[in-house]
Amino acid sequence: DAGVIQSPRHEVTEMGQEVTLRCKPISGHDYLFWYRQTMMRGLELLIYFNNNVPIDDSGMPEDRFSAKMPNASFSTLKIQPSEPRDSAVYFCASSWGGNQPQHFGDGTRLSIL
Amino acid sequence: GENVEQHPSTLSVQEGDSAVIKCTYSDSASNYFPWYKQELGKRPQLIIDIRSNVGEKKDQRIAVTLNKTAKHFSLHITETQPEDSAVYFCAASRVKLIFGTGTRLQVFP
Repeated sequence: DAGVIQSPRHEVTEMGQEVTLRCKPISGHDYLFWYRQTMMRGLELLIYFNNNVPIDDSGMPEDRFSAKMPNASFSTLKIQPSEPRDSAVYFCASSWGGNQPQHFGDGTRLSIL
Repeated sequence: GENVEQHPSTLSVQEGDSAVIKCTYSDSASNYFPWYKQELGKRPQLIIDIRSNVGEKKDQRIAVTLNKTAKHFSLHITETQPEDSAVYFCAASRVKLIFGTGTRLQVFP
């Protein structure tokens, strides 16, 4: 079975540009999570969805960040406008049910210059 | 808010020795405790998990123990091998995962 698929794997862009990260969860999984990983702050949960509905977005740092899940097989995390402090690795994960093992994608390494 | 403390931050052991990583959680309603291994530049991978109705779980060289009263849980790796070298994260969950800060384990041949 294919795992969680994220794209792009790497993104380098200039400050002020819009960035869109994409995620395809494992088929059949009803929970989708977006995390950010930095050396300073570790692994932080940004937002999670259940059955395509955002449940908790309390980890989204500010209004520049937004996430959508238009259907069960696709989610996006958008940053606009991007800032250098947004540089991090962004992971998407999915699970079947809440409080179940989460499977992570390979991540998107984002660098904002 | 919810918090998970993890110790030590770094751990160096000789191949064949045991390694123990400890975590403490703050939310007494947490009922699911996974452990993830992350190699450099790779994604976190689940290695073992335990639920609050179980005190101990073992999978080959890896075991996890849970003390609900003290809100402690620990990862034990026996007969360590160089390929065990990675960063290990504990997490506690009631609905969403709260991760510890990670332990960098180095196993020297």
